[in-house]
Amino acid sequence: QVQLVQSGAEVKKPGASVKVSCKASGYTFTSYDVNWVRQATGHGLEWMGWMNLNANNTRYAQKFQDRVTMTSDTSISTAYMELSSLRSEDSAVYYCARGGYNYDFDNWGQGTVVTVSS
Amino acid sequence: QSALTQPRSVSGSPGQSVTISCTGTSSDVGAYNYVSWYQQHPGKAPKVMIYDVSERPSGVPDRFSGSKSGNTASLTISGLQAEDEGNYYCCSYAGSYVFGSGTEVTVL
Repeated sequence: QVQLVQSGAEVKKPGASVKVSCKASGYTFTSYDVNWVRQATGHGLEWMGWMNLNANNTRYAQKFQDRVTMTSDTSISTAYMELSSLRSEDSAVYYCARGGYNYDFDNWGQGTVVTVSS
Repeated sequence: QSALTQPRSVSGSPGQSVTISCTGTSSDVGAYNYVSWYQQHPGKAPKVMIYDVSERPSGVPDRFSGSKSGNTASLTISGLQAEDEGNYYCCSYAGSYVFGSGTEVTVL
């Protein structure tokens, strides 16, 4: 079955960077996009961007354009999301989600808690 | 891109129907038939319930249905059950993705 397993919780200081991984299994990794979505405590879902693994290109939400980098290592079926210049407002649960063929997110990782605190 | 507008909360008794609206613009909800809906229980990852406005993934009960009129999409839960309680988010594709503000569904 399709599984997306994310890396563990992170605690970072303001101004630092964080890199979250998302290891896929149960399907052909490069046949689907990987999206990243975050959710601050008590808030809604916020789309950050996607990576097309076949074409190796990315599209980022304008809000994160200057601070986010999405990459992948297809040899180990793993996608990465790095967010730089962290501030307290970036404290959230970060999810990876597989982009389905119907412009939806058909499978999700378990989420990674990122806490930004001095 | 601004979040799509959803009611903060809706509620109903078991067996009743509830409808959640999702209002966007002619650039997102109104422009494409790529609206999806997600159910999220506390502490869990979201789960897709509807895609392409009205299509149900395999395994989603048929009491969940979706529709769209103009710039507003809707999710209806018929025959409300206790396990339907949670938060629901709409999402529209428009070159990029935008989520709704979220609606808490309470089963009385």
